[in-house]
Formats: sequence, structure tokens, C-alpha cells
Amino acid sequence: AQRVTQPEKLLSVFKGAPVELKCNYSYSGSPELFWYVQYSRQRLQLLLRHISRESIKGFTADLNKGETSFHLKKPFAQEEDSAMYYCALNTNAGKSTFGDGTTLTVKP
Amino acid sequence: NAGVTQTPKFRVLKTGQSMTLLCAQDMNHEYMYWYRQDPGMGLRLIHYSVGEGTTAKGEVPDGYNVSRLKKQNFLLGLESAAPSQTSVYFCASSTTRTSGYVNTGELFFGEGSRLTVL
Repeated sequence: AQRVTQPEKLLSVFKGAPVELKCNYSYSGSPELFWYVQYSRQRLQLLLRHISRESIKGFTADLNKGETSFHLKKPFAQEEDSAMYYCALNTNAGKSTFGDGTTLTVKP
Repeated sequence: NAGVTQTPKFRVLKTGQSMTLLCAQDMNHEYMYWYRQDPGMGLRLIHYSVGEGTTAKGEVPDGYNVSRLKKQNFLLGLESAAPSQTSVYFCASSTTRTSGYVNTGELFFGEGSRLTVL
């Protein structure tokens, strides 16, 4: 069975500091991984997906199949990055599994 | 473009009552999902559908039923509500871009429905 683990429920950094949100997965097939973000009073939305290899709002994530990880990184955190972040895994048969989420707080 | 719309947005039920949450999407997506969000437990998949007339169980299906009679609608039913079903419910839909057998499409979410069972 597929599983997504986000070990940190809460993460707090100061503005301008680097930030890394961890995500580990378990899945026997070839995974498709995503990061979603939920800002206060807004709906969940896609931040980035590994297949696109894109950088959104300064965030990047690299899929490491050896370590089964898909950590989200940003070199200089901004206050507007404060939000709930979810790592998600798409598998065959259309299933999308989410981690427990990490609440990021960026302090001024 | 409305995207994914959930109704109702708020509801208070008494234990044992029944209700239905409606999810509607106007993006012609094949896949639709129902999740519940609880503090400290993230998003848990209740049921999902890969096409009109099909449904499948997710991680936490007990106490819920679903139907996908029309492609654009995905209904979540609670036949006999329990306090443990107090939660925020999210509907999502997805495109069906595929790489091999895996859906690479992103999920589009509704605003959520907050349900309280007393």
C-alpha cells in the first residue's frame, strides 16, 4: 500500500532563512509526487509537481528514488509562505494519497 | 469558471441523522475524490471515482457512501451520522494525464464543507 510521511507537523523559521519541508513515500511502483499548499482561508491548491521540474514561488523539490523522498525547499523564506503544506502521491488506478501536512510559520 | 463547488459549506447534525454532501465540477474531469481533514491527521481519502458510474473505497470509507451518476457530480452520503464524523470534508477532481498507468494530473479542490455531529 502507498504511504506518504511528513515527519514535521509544525515548522517555524525566520524570514530570509532557508526552509525544507520533508516528505517520504512508500510505493512499489513509479510514483508521481506533488506538493499542495493551503493558505489561510483559501482552498488547497497545487504548488508544484515533480514531473514538471518547475520552480514555483521560489520552491523546488527533487525526487530521490533511492531515499524515497520528495523534500520541498526554498532558500529564503518569506512571511507570505506561511501556510499548510501537503505532500501527495498519485498511484495507478487514480488514487491520490496525502501526508499529514506541515504547518509552516515564517516569523518576521 | 466555477471549478469545484461543494454544498453545503456548513452543517450541524444530530447523531443518527443522515445527510448528503454534493460536489460539482465543471472541468469535465474523469476523476473525483472525497477527503476528510482532521487536526493532526492531514487529508484522508474516503472514496473516489475514476469515471461516471464507478466508485472505489479509500482509506476511511466506513460510515460513508458515494454515488457518481453524472460525470460532473460526486455525492457523499452519511446514512447515520456519528460524532466521529465531525470534520471538514473536501471534494477534488482531477484530469487524467497519464504516464504509464499513473495519473499525473493535479487535483482541484473545493472550498470544503464543515460538518459537526452533536
